[in-house]
Amino acid sequence: AQSVAQPEDQVNVAEGNPLTVKCTYSVSGNPYLFWYVQYPNRGLQFLLKYITGDNLVKGSYGFEAEFNKSQTSFHLKKPSALVSDSALYFCAVRAPGSFKTIFGAGTRLFVKA
Amino acid sequence: DSGVTQTPKHLITATGQRVTLRCSPRSGDLSVYWYQQSLDQGLQFLIQYYNGEERAKGNILERFSAQQFPDLHSELNLSSLELGDSALYFCASSVSGTGGQETQYFGPGTRLLVL
Repeated sequence: AQSVAQPEDQVNVAEGNPLTVKCTYSVSGNPYLFWYVQYPNRGLQFLLKYITGDNLVKGSYGFEAEFNKSQTSFHLKKPSALVSDSALYFCAVRAPGSFKTIFGAGTRLFVKA
Repeated sequence: DSGVTQTPKHLITATGQRVTLRCSPRSGDLSVYWYQQSLDQGLQFLIQYYNGEERAKGNILERFSAQQFPDLHSELNLSSLELGDSALYFCASSVSGTGGQETQYFGPGTRLLVL
């Protein structure tokens, strides 16, 4: 069965500092991995996805994520956090050939000015 | 703006009642997904339709049903509502719904409150 874990309920970072939001997954075969962001009272917005190839994926708003197969992780990163990055971040996984996307519980990011 | 629209934005109803949530996918998208987001359960996949036919089922209760119409809009019907059904319901759409690497685009959600 496929699953995804976001081990941190909340991440706090100061504006201008680098941020990392962690995600680990469990799936048979080569996974498809996604990051979404949810701002208050809004739907989820797609940030980036890993399909195959380069382990470093670049996405929207300056975010990037690193796929690590040996550690089954797909951590979201940004070199310099902005206050406006404060939101709820979801990692998601889909197994090859599966129609179902499994979402993590979400990590709330607070960026302090 | 993802291009996915959902109505209504908010819905307040009583236990035992029935409600219908509506979703219009992005132009050109054939597949629609429904998700429930609650504080205790997180984001749960409910059901997927592709071009009018059910394609995948998740944690959808028997009291809930959905359909996708010929114009590709979808409706989620929730009946015999319970307090625990209070949640944010999202619709998402994708081009073909073949899974794999395809990206889903989410609507703004319908917030349901059952009193």
